[in-house]
Amino acid sequence: AQKVTQAQTEISVVEKEDVTLDCVYETRDTTYYLFWYKQPPSGELVFLIRRNSFDEQNEISGRYSWNFQKSTSSFNFTITASQVVDSAVYFCALSELQGGKLIFGQGTELSVKP
Amino acid sequence: AAGVIQSPRHLIKEKRETATLKCYPIPRHDTVYWYQQGPGQDPQFLISFYEKMQSDKGSIPDRFSAQQFSDYHSELNMSSLELGDSALYFCASSLRRYGTNYGYTFGSGTRLTVV
Repeated sequence: AQKVTQAQTEISVVEKEDVTLDCVYETRDTTYYLFWYKQPPSGELVFLIRRNSFDEQNEISGRYSWNFQKSTSSFNFTITASQVVDSAVYFCALSELQGGKLIFGQGTELSVKP
Repeated sequence: AAGVIQSPRHLIKEKRETATLKCYPIPRHDTVYWYQQGPGQDPQFLISFYEKMQSDKGSIPDRFSAQQFSDYHSELNMSSLELGDSALYFCASSLRRYGTNYGYTFGSGTRLTVV
């Protein structure tokens, strides 16, 4: 069965701090996709990144970076120099190749204080 | 660029009433998904359609039904509404045709409040 675990329910940091959101997943598939979504207070789900299981390269996009490690089944997300606008709930999610449905983690609520 | 359109954005219904939510996927996307997100919870998969046929089913109550029409838009029908049905309902669309997963585009959601 597929499962995504985000052990950190809430994280609070002060602006300009770096913060890492953890994500651990379980799947029996050899081909799968991992995602991160941001959900600001307005409620919409904002796509951040998609990574397939064959691509273990880390990725950086501005202040955001992702560390994918198949050996530990983890797909962690780091925000460098956090800003108040980063305050949101962040979801890690997993899907299989053909089935398509997304399995979400429980979400991590990030609060960035000025 | 066109996005996934959901209507209405907000809906207030009384217990035991019926609600219909609509979703218009991105043009040329062949798969539609419905998710339910209760307060403080993660989105839970309800049902999906691939090329207008139901392709997968999650934890969708028997009181709910959904379909995808010939123009690819989808509707989620909810009957005998209960207070616990109050949630944010998301629709997402994707392109699955070539055997891979190109990702999902979510609509802005419909916030249903049952009173």
